[in-house]
Amino acid sequence: GQNIDQPTEMTATEGAIVQINCTYQTSGFNGLFWYQQHAGEAPTFLSYNVLDGLEEKGRFSSFLSRSKGYSYLLLKELQMKDSASYLCAGMDSNYQLIWGAGTKLIIKP
Amino acid sequence: NAGVTQTPKFRVLKTGQSMTLLCAQDMNHEYMYWYRQDPGMGLRLIHYSVGEGTTAKGEVPDGYNVSRLKKQNFLLGLESAAPSQTSVYFCASNPPGTGDPNQPQHFGDGTRLSIL
Repeated sequence: GQNIDQPTEMTATEGAIVQINCTYQTSGFNGLFWYQQHAGEAPTFLSYNVLDGLEEKGRFSSFLSRSKGYSYLLLKELQMKDSASYLCAGMDSNYQLIWGAGTKLIIKP
Repeated sequence: NAGVTQTPKFRVLKTGQSMTLLCAQDMNHEYMYWYRQDPGMGLRLIHYSVGEGTTAKGEVPDGYNVSRLKKQNFLLGLESAAPSQTSVYFCASNPPGTGDPNQPQHFGDGTRLSIL
């Protein structure tokens, strides 16, 4: 079956670094997406990985290991506005997204 | 640039009532999707469309119907609402996925639907 696993909730301190992990099992693989979703709002795209390695975008980076079925999202210099849920989604062989339940990130001052 | 617009934003229905949720996008995207989002679960695909006049079933299609008569609009219908359909419904769109898989989906702001 297809499955995406990520922690339900994480807490971090303003200014610190946090890593949100995601493991995936999909029928075929066409990439791994990360989205950010603030409470009561729509998901917004953060990053896409299809090759092994690290993709960096400002304070956010995303890593993929295809052999391990593993990805992580790294957030640096945390700000209060980073408090949100982070959704991991794997794209299967039919180009459909399989979504994780999301990781709620709580930032404390 | 409006992006993806969903109407209505909120709705309360009684069991057995029917309604239609409207999604409109102004980005000329070929693909459109309807998802539902429930607490503790990932987004689940209800139906999707790869172009005007085409629709296909997703993971949880039962109790819903869709239509894509115009490229920019994707309608989701609830034929006879049930309490289990209480959820937040998101519409999304993106350019063709096949052969161009790294195009992210753009989401509307959601419709919060309660069935009593």
